[in-house]
Amino acid sequence: AQSVTQLGSHVSVSEGALVLLRCNYSSSVPPYLFWYVQYPNQGLQLLLKYTTGATLVKGINGFEAEFKKSETSFHLTKPSAHMSDAAEYFCAVSRGQGAQKLVFGQGTRLTINP
Amino acid sequence: AAGVIQSPRHLIKEKRETATLKCYPIPRHDTVYWYQQGPGQDPQFLISFYEKMQSDKGSIPDRFSAQQFSDYHSELNMSSLELGDSALYFCASSTKVLGILETQYFGPGTRLLVL
Repeated sequence: AQSVTQLGSHVSVSEGALVLLRCNYSSSVPPYLFWYVQYPNQGLQLLLKYTTGATLVKGINGFEAEFKKSETSFHLTKPSAHMSDAAEYFCAVSRGQGAQKLVFGQGTRLTINP
Repeated sequence: AAGVIQSPRHLIKEKRETATLKCYPIPRHDTVYWYQQGPGQDPQFLISFYEKMQSDKGSIPDRFSAQQFSDYHSELNMSSLELGDSALYFCASSTKVLGILETQYFGPGTRLLVL
């Protein structure tokens, strides 16, 4: 079975500061890992994904994440926060061999301070 | 690019009523997933379909049923609605590329309020 733990339900950073959202997963098989962003009253938008190959993956809006198997982590980072990054971020895992059902973490609400 | 379409976007029902939510996947996507997101919660997988057959089942109540039609659109039927069914219901679609299911793309969701 798969599970995801996101450390910190709320993260607040200043505009221009580094954004770091933590995600640890548990999976009995090689996982596929995803980060989705949800803006208020909107659906889920894919930020980036890891399937196989390069462990550092780049996504939209300047975000990137690194798959670390030894640490079972897939933390999301962005060098410089922008006000428009304020949203809810969900880390998700699925079994390997394709995007089967997703198991989501609890979500992290990112607030950007001016 | 075309996205996943869900209708209606908002729905208000009374307890014990029924509701039908519709999902139109991205063109040429043959797999549909349904998720339920309660207030302040993470999305929970309900059920999925591939080529009109149920492919996986999650925490879907027996009061709910779903199906996928020949044009690949899907409907989630909810009966005997309860207050706890109030949530955002997402549909996602994907397809296989080289035999492997690709990324799930989510629709905007249907917000159901049960009074």
